[in-house]
Amino acid sequence: GQSLEQPSEVTAVEGAIVQINCTYQTSGFYGLSWYQQHDGGAPTFLSYNALDGLEETGRFSSFLSRSDSYGYLLLQELQMKDSASYFCAVRAGGFKTIFGAGTRLFVKA
Amino acid sequence: DAGITQSPRYKITETGRQVTLMCHQTWSHSYMFWYRQDLGHGLRLIYYSAAADITDKGEVPDGYVVSRSKTENFPLTLESATRSQTSVYFCASSVGSGGAMETQYFGPGTRLLVL
Repeated sequence: GQSLEQPSEVTAVEGAIVQINCTYQTSGFYGLSWYQQHDGGAPTFLSYNALDGLEETGRFSSFLSRSDSYGYLLLQELQMKDSASYFCAVRAGGFKTIFGAGTRLFVKA
Repeated sequence: DAGITQSPRYKITETGRQVTLMCHQTWSHSYMFWYRQDLGHGLRLIYYSAAADITDKGEVPDGYVVSRSKTENFPLTLESATRSQTSVYFCASSVGSGGAMETQYFGPGTRLLVL
């Protein structure tokens, strides 16, 4: 089967750094994406990695290791508004995108 | 307004009824997707479309029908609604494949309750 595993919850304090991991097992792989979703809202795109390494976009960075079927999202200088759910997603084949169950991030003051 | 819109935003129906959820995008994106989101399951792909008149099944297509006669519209029909189809439905679109073109832009969602 195809699956993506990520922690269900993470808690961190404002100003800290947090890492959300994602391991995947899929029949094909074209790239790993990350999306953010606030309660009651729609998912919004954060980052995409097709090749190994780190991609940085402002306070957010994303890493991929294809040999380990592993990636992570790194959030720096956490702010209260970063409290949300974060989903990793893999384009596994054709244009089928498989999403993880999501990690709920709680940022405390 | 430009973007991706869904209608209705909220819908209550009864088991056995046919329901159609609408999705419209103004970017002329080639790819469009339908997902359902349930607690504990994240987003699950129902159907997707690579272009007008080209559709394919996702992870959970049973009980759903799609069509795409025009690039900008991608309606999702529940042929005979069941309680298990109570969910939040998101439509999304993307330019194409590879790199930044893979970014999916999501509509605001339709909250469907089947009684």
